[in-house]
Amino acid sequence: GNSVTQMEGPVTLSEEAFLTINCTYTATGYPSLFWYVQYPGEGLQLLLKATKADDKGSNKGFEATYRKETTSFHLEKGSVQVSDSAVYFCPRGNKLTFGTGTQLKVEL
Amino acid sequence: DAGVIQSPRHEVTEMGQEVTLRCKPISGHDYLFWYRQTMMRGLELLIYFNNNVPIDDSGMPEDRFSAKMPNASFSTLKIQPSEPRDSAVYFCASSEDRGYYNSPLHFGNGTRLTVT
Repeated sequence: GNSVTQMEGPVTLSEEAFLTINCTYTATGYPSLFWYVQYPGEGLQLLLKATKADDKGSNKGFEATYRKETTSFHLEKGSVQVSDSAVYFCPRGNKLTFGTGTQLKVEL
Repeated sequence: DAGVIQSPRHEVTEMGQEVTLRCKPISGHDYLFWYRQTMMRGLELLIYFNNNVPIDDSGMPEDRFSAKMPNASFSTLKIQPSEPRDSAVYFCASSEDRGYYNSPLHFGNGTRLTVT
């Protein structure tokens, strides 16, 4: 079956630092891949998606590339801001289980 | 588009009482999901519906939990009787009828349940 493994957090960075949150998957076929973000006190919202291999999803300065050769969909941002502090989720497999996500804290 | 609407936002109740959480999905979305979020276990899928029919309820923790979707615009999650370990944030989400696997989920803002 399909499954996704997400890097555990928490991650603490200084403002303007580079961010990478790892997400790898195992799948039969080529499923769409997603990143969601949850800000404090809110529900999850879609951050970006990629529907096929070599696709790059991007939004709000975040990017992730669907890499078939490494079975990865790592989330990256070149310069994080305090406002990016949130929990990031790479949902898993067919059942869309989200787990605990990766908590990001950005400090001044 | 008002998004997924959940009510109430907060619920505080005593152990043994019945709790009903409500959800209105986005119009036109044929899939509806109920999740529970805790610090320890993260976000767990409880049950999901397709066209108002429950498809997978394997995540429902026990018989005290039940969910219904009487029509395309309304769903409830009921806990009877409630216990302190049910304290969590409960989220409802909906998605379009393209096969949930390839469609993004749209989440409500959740109901924070506290059982004392």
